[in-house]
Amino acid sequence: EAGVAQSPRYKIIEKRQSVAFWCNPISGHATLYWYQQILGQGPKLLIQFQNNGVVDDSQLPKDRFSAERLKGVDSTLKIQPAKLEDSAVYLCASSLQHRGLNTQYFGPGTRLTVL
Amino acid sequence: AQTVTQSQPEMSVQEAETVTLSCTYDTSENNYYLFWYKQPPSRQMILVIRQEAYKQQNATENRFSVNFQKAAKSFSLKISDSQLGDTAMYFCAFLQRPQGAQKLVFGQGTRLTINP
Repeated sequence: EAGVAQSPRYKIIEKRQSVAFWCNPISGHATLYWYQQILGQGPKLLIQFQNNGVVDDSQLPKDRFSAERLKGVDSTLKIQPAKLEDSAVYLCASSLQHRGLNTQYFGPGTRLTVL
Repeated sequence: AQTVTQSQPEMSVQEAETVTLSCTYDTSENNYYLFWYKQPPSRQMILVIRQEAYKQQNATENRFSVNFQKAAKSFSLKISDSQLGDTAMYFCAFLQRPQGAQKLVFGQGTRLTINP
C-alpha cells in the first residue's frame, strides 16, 4: 500500500514570495491533516479536512495560509506572502475517517526555508 | 487546553540497553488516547504505540512498552534491547477532539541516539 505522498521535498524562497505544497493521502482515507513542524518542536496541526470539507482550521494563520482539498483526495497548502518564521517542515497526514480512533499516517514532509 | 511535556531533549544509550523516555500531560478529560510517534532522520513520522486511558493495562508492542500512570498524568515509553534503527526523534502525543475533529497535540520531542 502506497503511503502519503508529498511534494516538493525541499523548497527555498525569499520572504514575501508565495509557495505551495501538495499532498496525496493514502487511497481511501477520508481525513487529511496539515501540520507545521518548526525546528526543535513537535508538529502543530494547521488544518484538518474530512473529504473536501474543513473540520478544524483554528490554528491556521488565515491571513497568509490557505488550503484546499477540492475533490476530497489530494490537497494543496499555500503560503502567501511567506515570512521568515514560516521556515519549517510541513507534514501531511491522513486517516480513514475523523470519528472514532483512527491512526494518522504521515508523509515525509516538505522542508521550507524562507530567506 | 491540553499540553504535553517531554523533559528530556536528548538521550543516548548503547545498543542492546534499555531506555525509558518520559512524558507528562495535562488534561481535564477522563477518556482520551496517548501515543508515541517515532521520527527517523528521513522525517517520516511512524506510530510506535498507543494507549487508551480507560484501559488499566499498559500497552506493549514487541520491544516497546509504556508505563501509563493516569493519576500522575505520566506516559513513559520503554524500549528494550535497543537497536541502531531505534535512533530517531520520539514524540509523545495526546489526542484532542474539539467539536468532533481529531487533533494530535505533540510534545517537544526527545532525540534518542543508539550507539554501537
